[in-house]
Amino acid sequence: ILNVEQSPQSLHVQEGDSTNFTCSFPSSNFYALHWYRWETAKSPEALFVMTLNGDEKKKGRISATLNTKEGYSYLYIKGSQPEDSATYLCAFQGYGGATNKLIFGTGTLLAVQP
Amino acid sequence: ETGVTQSPTHLIKTRGQQVTLRCSSQSGHNTVSWYQQALGQGPQFIFQYYREEENGRGNFPPRFSGLQFPNYSSELNVNALELDDSALYLCASSRQGARETQYFGPGTRLLVL
Repeated sequence: ILNVEQSPQSLHVQEGDSTNFTCSFPSSNFYALHWYRWETAKSPEALFVMTLNGDEKKKGRISATLNTKEGYSYLYIKGSQPEDSATYLCAFQGYGGATNKLIFGTGTLLAVQP
Repeated sequence: ETGVTQSPTHLIKTRGQQVTLRCSSQSGHNTVSWYQQALGQGPQFIFQYYREEENGRGNFPPRFSGLQFPNYSSELNVNALELDDSALYLCASSRQGARETQYFGPGTRLLVL
């Protein structure tokens, strides 16, 4: 059974704080790691697809790093804003089976207080 | 470019009934995947369709079945509904390719009483 774990489960920060969360995944059969941002009552929004060890991707104030050898990825948000409040999900994609099958963690719920 | 849409948004059924959920994929996408998100969990992969054929399945019983149509839209059918089938059902469309981004719809919330 493949396990994808995210920590912390939830996070409350003040506007302007920088924050980061962790996604742990199997280090074998790695193919890609996906990050999503999911606001309540909306569709999950794709943030990044990361494929190479050492990858670092950035989208505005959000960035992510990838370590496939040890099986973790970090998501960073610089200067959090209330509109960043959402659940952040990571999903592991491995070799074999359905080509596009994603195995999700349970997410990190971020609440940014104004 | 239209995004992924799902219908209905909410649905209430009773145990033993059957349900059909629908998904329209994003323009240019030929692959649709379905996920179930139960309370407190991350989305769980049900199955994937590519060019109208099932292309991989997760750990769900045969009473979960699907279809994909020539326009790449898709249906998820669940027979003999059980209380534990109560969940949010998400579909995601993508181009065929191992590392393509999957674009999700807003989901259908199913409640089984």
